[in-house]
Amino acid sequence: DQQVKQNSPSLSVQEGRISILNCDYTNSMFDYFLWYKKYPAEGPTFLISISSIKDKNEDGRFTVFLNKSAKHLSLHIVPSQPGDSAVYFCAAGVSNAGGTSYGKLTFGQGTILTVHP
Amino acid sequence: DAGITQSPRHKVTETGTPVTLRCHQTENHRYMYWYRQDPGHGLRLIHYSYGVKDTDKGEVSDGYSVSRSKTEDFLLTLESATSSQTSVYFCAMSLTSSAEQYFGPGTRLTVT
Repeated sequence: DQQVKQNSPSLSVQEGRISILNCDYTNSMFDYFLWYKKYPAEGPTFLISISSIKDKNEDGRFTVFLNKSAKHLSLHIVPSQPGDSAVYFCAAGVSNAGGTSYGKLTFGQGTILTVHP
Repeated sequence: DAGITQSPRHKVTETGTPVTLRCHQTENHRYMYWYRQDPGHGLRLIHYSYGVKDTDKGEVSDGYSVSRSKTEDFLLTLESATSSQTSVYFCAMSLTSSAEQYFGPGTRLTVT
């Protein structure tokens, strides 16, 4: 039962263009979402997050969009750079309103982004 | 980040032997997590901790146990390693239950 899905295993983009990574979820209880970037032989690093009360969050070249009705989020990277080449994971969680979530995250399978010079 | 480390970074062990992986953090974060990463599965939660001596099971906890006797240390034990536990293991920490998690560098475990 994959509650968070990244249906594109890989994405190839030219330097300077936009990269769009997509993520779908099924659990309507999820109310915050995160994107992580992972280089080989390193741990994932946090990129950007969004709460379900928003539909957009921007941080420099990275923007995350959330469409709650479609249970879909996307990460836009503009402009893409060769150093952005990595595996990108989306993750979803339920905030601790009821005192029982403990910050558990559910991750997608990841999308390998390659940015060509 | 240097605030969270894992040891060992690489380990090869034989089927049936117990293995303990260590996660150490210097940030005084309350919450800690153990994940495994396998191709096609992303990261899956094994166990988590919400305080000293407070731990619970995650999505894929069978064959694993954890302990947290101090805020800074979270240990993952494979009671009797099997080949299906060959994986890359990551620990993570977070300050609050809805904050972003920060990950360690990972431990690559091979069970032969």
